[in-house]
Amino acid sequence: SQQGEEDPQALSIQEGENATMNCSYKTSINNLQWYRQNSGRGLVHLILIRSNEREKHSGRLRVTLDTSKKSSSLLITASRAADTASYFCATEHYKLSFGAGTTVTVRA
Amino acid sequence: DGGITQSPKYLFRKEGQNVTLSCEQNLNHDAMYWYRQDPGQGLRLIYYSQIVNDFQKGDIAEGYSVSREKKESFPLTVTSAQKNPTAFYLCASSMHDSNQPQHFGDGTRLSIL
Repeated sequence: SQQGEEDPQALSIQEGENATMNCSYKTSINNLQWYRQNSGRGLVHLILIRSNEREKHSGRLRVTLDTSKKSSSLLITASRAADTASYFCATEHYKLSFGAGTTVTVRA
Repeated sequence: DGGITQSPKYLFRKEGQNVTLSCEQNLNHDAMYWYRQDPGQGLRLIYYSQIVNDFQKGDIAEGYSVSREKKESFPLTVTSAQKNPTAFYLCASSMHDSNQPQHFGDGTRLSIL
C-alpha cells in the first residue's frame, strides 16, 4: 500500500534556486524518511526524521515533519545540477511505504 | 567497500520461464527486502526477511518466491505465474531495529522477450 504522496510530481528550477517538495500520509508513523534516486540507479537514503522530531538538517537539506497535519517537506537549498533526481518520501509503521516521488530537474 | 550487489543489471525472460535475481550484502544487516518499481511509481514491497531462514510476504508477493539461507544473500525468483514481470527490481537491507534507514542495490531491470 502506498501511504506517502509527494507534491508536486515534477519540479524544474534554475541552478542556485531552492527546491521544496511535500509529502502527505494517512496513518500514524514511527518515522518518515527521504530518499533520492538517480535515473536507472538504486535509492540513496537522505534523512530520517522520527515522529517526535519537528525539523532536521543535513548539509543543504532541511526536512520538517508536522504529525498533526500528517505532512512533511524536503527543502534543498542552493540547488546544483547534480541534485537532478527523483525524491521519494517513505513512512515507517511496521514496514516502509513509499510515495510515487517528485522528479526534480535543475537547469544549469 | 560495504554495500549491496544486485545481478544481473539487465535480465530477459521468455514465456513460461522462471528467472532468479541475485542480491548479496556485506553490511552485516539482519533484514533484507525486495521491491518492485514500475515507471513513474513508487516502490512496492514483494517480500522481506528479518532473519535467516524466515521471510514474509509483502504487498505484491503473488508470482514471486524467495529464500534466505544465508545472512548475506536474499535471491528473488520471478516465476511463470507472474504475468506482468517487466519492471525494475530493487533489493535493500537494514539493521533489524526500528528507525533504521534502508540501503539499496542498483537494481535489476527485467523485461519479457
